[in-house]
Amino acid sequence: EDQVTQSPEALRLQEGESSSLNCSYTVSGLRGLFWYRQDPGKGPEFLFTLYSAGEEKEKERLKATLTKKESFLHITAPKPEDSATYLCAVYNDYKLSFGAGTTVTVRA
Amino acid sequence: DAEITQSPRHKITETGRQVTLACHQTWNHNNMFWYRQDLGHGLRLIHYSYGVQDTNKGEVSDGYSVSRSNTEDLPLTLESAASSQTSVYFCASSESTSGRADTQYFGPGTRLTVL
Repeated sequence: EDQVTQSPEALRLQEGESSSLNCSYTVSGLRGLFWYRQDPGKGPEFLFTLYSAGEEKEKERLKATLTKKESFLHITAPKPEDSATYLCAVYNDYKLSFGAGTTVTVRA
Repeated sequence: DAEITQSPRHKITETGRQVTLACHQTWNHNNMFWYRQDLGHGLRLIHYSYGVQDTNKGEVSDGYSVSRSNTEDLPLTLESAASSQTSVYFCASSESTSGRADTQYFGPGTRLTVL
């Protein structure tokens, strides 16, 4: 059974204070790892897909990396608008298995 | 622009009533999914469909049903609503791509309260 664990559950940052979110997974044959952003009262919004260990992708202040057992989402010099819940999911057999998410709060 | 919509956005019902949540997508995607989201559990898959007339059970399917009569719609029915089904429900869709992980795009969600 696919398992996805995200840590920490919550992260409070000062504006400009860089940090990383962790997503560890166990899956038989990873076909892809997804990162989504979710704002309160809204549906998840797609950020990145990573397909193989060593791959990295960037978007503005976010950078996602992937190893054989975990993925990291690095937030560089965050701004208050980066406050959201970040969800990680692994893809297998045409379905996604999600972690519980990390809620990031960035204070001005 | 293509999109995925859900209705209603909020629903309050009573225990034992039948409830149907609508999901409509204009992406022309073959795959559609229903999830529920509860604190501490993340998103859990209820049912999914890979095309018209195809439906499959996810990890938390008890008490729910779906039917797929066209490409655009996948309604979710709670046959007899229970308080444990109070949750936020999300619909998603993806395009079938051979050999690559499909990106799922999510609707805005329906908040359901069962009293």
